[in-house]
This record gives sequence, C-alpha cells and structure tokens, in this order.
Amino acid sequence: AQSVTQLGSHVSVSEGALVLLRCNYSSSVPPYLFWYVQYPNQGLQLLLKYTSAATLVKGINGFEAEFKKSETSFHLTKPSAHMSDAAEYFCAVSQRAGAQKLVFGQGTRLTINP
Amino acid sequence: DTAVSQTPKYLVTQMGNDKSIKCEQNLGHDTMYWYKQDSKKFLKIMFSYNNKELIINETVPNRFSPKSPDKAHLNLHINSLELGDSAVYFCASSQAGDYGYTFGSGTRLTVV
Repeated sequence: AQSVTQLGSHVSVSEGALVLLRCNYSSSVPPYLFWYVQYPNQGLQLLLKYTSAATLVKGINGFEAEFKKSETSFHLTKPSAHMSDAAEYFCAVSQRAGAQKLVFGQGTRLTINP
Repeated sequence: DTAVSQTPKYLVTQMGNDKSIKCEQNLGHDTMYWYKQDSKKFLKIMFSYNNKELIINETVPNRFSPKSPDKAHLNLHINSLELGDSAVYFCASSQAGDYGYTFGSGTRLTVV
C-alpha cells in the first residue's frame, strides 16, 4: 500500500521568505509523485510531478521539488514567497500512469505574512 | 471552456433524500474519478471509470452509485443521504500515458 505524510498541517512564512513544504512517501514500487495546490473554494491544480525522469522537478508559479529516494521524500520549495501563494498544498503518490489511484497526504495550509 | 465541470456547485438537502452530482470533461480523457474531501481537507478516492468501465471501487457505502454513460461523463448518485455524507465531492479525469489529474471545482454537499 502507498501512503503520504505531510509534515506540518500549517506553515507560515513571511512574504519574500523561502517556502518549504515537506512530504514523505511510502511505496513498495517506484512511485510517481505530485504536488497539487487548492485555493479557497476551488478544485486542485497540478503544480508539478515526478515521473522517474529528472529528480529535480520544476513546476508552475516558481515552485520546485526534489525526489530523494534515500530519504523517501519529495519536499516542495519556492525561493521567495508571494502573497498569492497562500493556499492548501497536497502531496500525492501513485503507482502507475493512466488509470492510476492518487493517494493524497493530509494537506498543508500555507499562510503568507506581509 | 471548462475542462472538467461539475454541477451543482452547492447542494443543500435533508437527511434521507436522494441526490445526484454530474460531471463532464471535454479533454478527451479516458479515465474519470470521484474523490471525497472531508471537513479536515482529506481527499480520498471513491470510484474510477475507464472508458465507461468501473476499475476502482473503494470501500464506499452502497448508497453511492456512480454511472458513466460515456467516457466524457461520470455521475454520482447518492441514496438516503446521511449527515456524514456532508463533504466536497471532486470529479477528475486523466489520460493514459499522462500523469496527474485534472480536477473539477467541486460540489459542496451539505446534509441537514
């Protein structure tokens, strides 16, 4: 079975500061990993994905994540936070492409302080 | 054009009623899903259809019945609604060979 643990249900950073959202996964087979963002009262939008190519993945809105197999981690970072980054962020894992089942972490709420 | 559209966006109903949520995607994807997001924001898969065939059926009460008339549509019918069914229900779609889902904007169901 696959699972995802997001460390910290709530992260607060100042505008312009580094954003680091932590995600650890458990999978018996090589995983595909994803980060999604959810703005209030909206659906989920794909930020970036790891599908066994480059371990450093760049996504939209200046976010990136690094797949570290030895640490079973896929942490999300952004060098400089913007007020518009305030949202809920979800890490997810799946086993295979196409008709895959995404298993989500519990989410991390990111708050940006002016 | 909205890629994955769900209707209605909000649904308030009494316990015991039967209701349906509709989902349509215009992306040409061959797989569609229903996810439930509870009050703590936790997302869990309920069902998945691939070309109108049910391929994932998690431990969901029998009161929930998905129907896929064609690969662009996936509806969710809920019988005898209970208070615990209150949640946001998301429809999503994906294409074989691609990675990641496209989500709809959700249907907020409130059972009173």
